[in-house]
Amino acid sequence: DVKVTQSSRYLVKRTGEKVFLECVQDMDHENMFWYRQDPGLGLRLIYFSYDVKMKEKGDIPEGYSVSREKKERFSLILESASTNQTSMYLCASGGLTGLGSSPLHFGNGTRLTVT
Amino acid sequence: QQQVKQSPQSLIVQKGGISIINCAYENTAFDYFPWYQQFPGKGPALLIAIRPDVSEKKEGRFTISFNKSAKQFSLHIMDSQPGDSATYFCAASMLGGSEKLVFGKGTKLTVNP
Repeated sequence: DVKVTQSSRYLVKRTGEKVFLECVQDMDHENMFWYRQDPGLGLRLIYFSYDVKMKEKGDIPEGYSVSREKKERFSLILESASTNQTSMYLCASGGLTGLGSSPLHFGNGTRLTVT
Repeated sequence: QQQVKQSPQSLIVQKGGISIINCAYENTAFDYFPWYQQFPGKGPALLIAIRPDVSEKKEGRFTISFNKSAKQFSLHIMDSQPGDSATYFCAASMLGGSEKLVFGKGTKLTVNP
């Protein structure tokens, strides 16, 4: 079974703090994604990566950055957390592996509260 | 052009009934249309997906109907069960499906016993 693991289930941070959200996948997927989920807004893409050290902006990248130093790990960074970044953050992976193309698999999310 | 519009926002169905969720898209370059199911406290999980070369795909009680000319697709859940109560997201992408997905805003389905 594909496993996408997000390091924290719940996080509470203060305004202005630098926040790191970590995600690890165990299926050798090329592609990794960060989405945020808000009621009534669905899933919105923040950043994605097609390969190590590569990153692409999604639809709502402002206030975020990412890091992908290893294929299995994709980190989302909030440089200076703000209250409007309180949300559920979902990591996903998918794409080409040695076994063919794989659809997107999601982690169980990190619920971040910024106070 | 990148939007996927999903309706209804919420749906209440009696056990044994048919649940129908609709989505519409604009970008004719989309060629992969999955549906994801999300239970509370969990991430979305792939339920069923279709490509535009077929008009219907069925897996158990779940069926996707696809209308390429109308740029619409829908999820039908036959004999709906309380265990189907979840949030459902339609999505679309280009280039085979493992590329970035554009999601609808979700439908919260409640199946009453």
